[in-house]
Amino acid sequence: NAGVTQTPKFRILKIGQSMTLQCTQDMNHNYMYWYRQDPGMGLKLIYYSVGAGITDKGEVPNGYNVSRSTTEDFPLRLELAAPSQTSVYFCASSTEVTGNTIYFGEGSWLTVV
Amino acid sequence: GQNIDQPTEMTATEGAIVQINCTYQTSGFNGLFWYQQHAGEAPTFLSYNVLDGLEEKGRFSSFLSRSKGYSYLLLKELQMKDSASYLCAVSGSNYQLIWGAGTKLIIKP
Repeated sequence: NAGVTQTPKFRILKIGQSMTLQCTQDMNHNYMYWYRQDPGMGLKLIYYSVGAGITDKGEVPNGYNVSRSTTEDFPLRLELAAPSQTSVYFCASSTEVTGNTIYFGEGSWLTVV
Repeated sequence: GQNIDQPTEMTATEGAIVQINCTYQTSGFNGLFWYQQHAGEAPTFLSYNVLDGLEEKGRFSSFLSRSKGYSYLLLKELQMKDSASYLCAVSGSNYQLIWGAGTKLIIKP
């Protein structure tokens, strides 16, 4: 019953540091997503992927990069961390976009100081 | 532009009924979702509407009017565990989900 697994759960970064948030799913879903959620705000799409080898920008991609070398894995890379990237990050996956539920990972709390 | 509006916070009493409204303006429409999110946790799926009308699922029901750009989530027989944020999301013309900011529901004994 793993579903969508993301790591780390909590991380504190210094300004200018880089890090990768890992995400893996075991449901053989083609679609995967990275969202960020700021306090009192809705989920904002950072990047998404419709299959291995295919990625595309979402609403707020600046400062982030992704790759999708396998169906299971969809890591999110933060380059040169900035305080504005302090947020909760959710990885998610789904079988198809239309009408099907999106399954979320447990979230990663990132603080940039 | 595209936007989804829902109240920021609502308070209700245990055992009562509460209706959480959501209005949307999007380029294209391919369905509306409601998700529940407890504090510090990930959102979990509650309902999906693509046609007008009411969808009932136990204590929770969701209504959609596409012509009015309007939906509501109805929660009956409220329990303390229903205290959470409720997120409205619309699947737009490119099938990406657009999320509202969420309604924080506080249940009082």
